Amino acid sequence: LAKTTQPISMDSYEGQEVNITCSHNNIATNDYITWYQQFPSQGPRFIIQGYKTKVTNEVASLFIPADRKSSTLSLPRVSLSDTAVYYCLVGPGSGNTGKLIFGQGTTLQVKP
Amino acid sequence: KAGVTQTPRYLIKTRGQQVTLSCSPISGHRSVSWYQQTPGQGLQFLFEYFSETQRNKGNFPGRFSGRQFSNSRSEMNVSTLELGDSALYLCASSIQAGTGELFFGEGSRLTVL
Repeated sequence: LAKTTQPISMDSYEGQEVNITCSHNNIATNDYITWYQQFPSQGPRFIIQGYKTKVTNEVASLFIPADRKSSTLSLPRVSLSDTAVYYCLVGPGSGNTGKLIFGQGTTLQVKP
Repeated sequence: KAGVTQTPRYLIKTRGQQVTLSCSPISGHRSVSWYQQTPGQGLQFLFEYFSETQRNKGNFPGRFSGRQFSNSRSEMNVSTLELGDSALYLCASSIQAGTGELFFGEGSRLTVL
């Protein structure tokens, strides 16, 4: 069963690039890595998903090395509104069955 | 398109009581999963339902149960409430089971006194 580990907190300044790493040593062959963002009093919101190598969308990039034992969420040029908790999720891809394991979450504080 | 709706948003119960929480998924989504969120434990997976069948269950005691109806709406029930059950209970819906994009509701905040 995959167990995920993330840093508890990170600080950054507006305009900087932020990289948050999640460790998942026991990831299964059919597991995907997904990242979510959560603001206070709201449910988590999907950011990005990947299986291997690099995935990029309009808000973030996800880097997954060949061994898939970790993944890094990259947020380019953060702003104050990016202050939130970021979770990585490891679990079977869409259409498959398996437990959905969230990391403990990383609280990102963006300072002006 | 309406999002995921969870009811009630807030509730207070006492130890020993039971509680039922409801989740209405996004129209067309057939999978619903439930999570318990606490400051100390983060987001913990409770169970996942797809087409009225429980596909997976997390490591929670049998006091936690759920079901899904033919219209994909889901309920979870916690019996014999304990103080440690105080948490935010989140449900998420998706088109398929697994970790395709999950759409979360705002949660039901349960306080057990």
